[in-house]
Amino acid sequence: QKEVEQNSGPLSVPEGAIASLNCTYSDRGSQSFFWYRQYSGKSPELIMFIYSNGDKEDGRFTAQLNKASQYVSLLIRDSQPSDSATYLCAVNSINTDKLIFGTGTRLQVFP
Amino acid sequence: DTEVTQTPKHLVMGMTNKKSLKCEQHMGHRAMYWYKQKAKKPPELMFVYSYEKLSINESVPSRFSPECPNSSLLNLHLHALQPEDSALYLCASSQDRHPSYEQYFGPGTRLTVT
Repeated sequence: QKEVEQNSGPLSVPEGAIASLNCTYSDRGSQSFFWYRQYSGKSPELIMFIYSNGDKEDGRFTAQLNKASQYVSLLIRDSQPSDSATYLCAVNSINTDKLIFGTGTRLQVFP
Repeated sequence: DTEVTQTPKHLVMGMTNKKSLKCEQHMGHRAMYWYKQKAKKPPELMFVYSYEKLSINESVPSRFSPECPNSSLLNLHLHALQPEDSALYLCASSQDRHPSYEQYFGPGTRLTVT
């Protein structure tokens, strides 16, 4: 079982829709959860982080964490073509002592 | 300001060359990282420096040699690389190594080994 799992996609959504990106993790000692956006040929850009169960909202982005289900998600409201990128879920644990990345989900927002 | 800078942006080197990648941050962060990223793969951790001391080496071949001259600077010295070492090399920093702190990435150096 991979430590951090994401569907590779592509996830295609129309402009203006909600994009829902999902991530599961295996280490129950995981403490910190991050979402990075990576445009093709560019470096990862941190867009959200969450530590506690529940929702955290920042503009059009909402991160959701459910530690009991070992599940973290990212919702993008009013999706724009400029949101088209690969979204990397990353998890940090006191057990592994490093950031573990999922393989990323490619999001395509079409006009 | 959450800026991490890296130079050069692109580097082409032969297998017998010696070159260095540089990374700088002025956020007062005390943890700095080197990652390697191949196409369509996630970043892969290479080294971690915490308070200017090497704290993690992910079994990286000795042809990669990291150096942390001070708390703001991180170098990666390259020598006798192989074509399979061609990748995007990313530097990142965080306030501390504790898992709660977020890591910020620099723009990366695109390395091609010929």
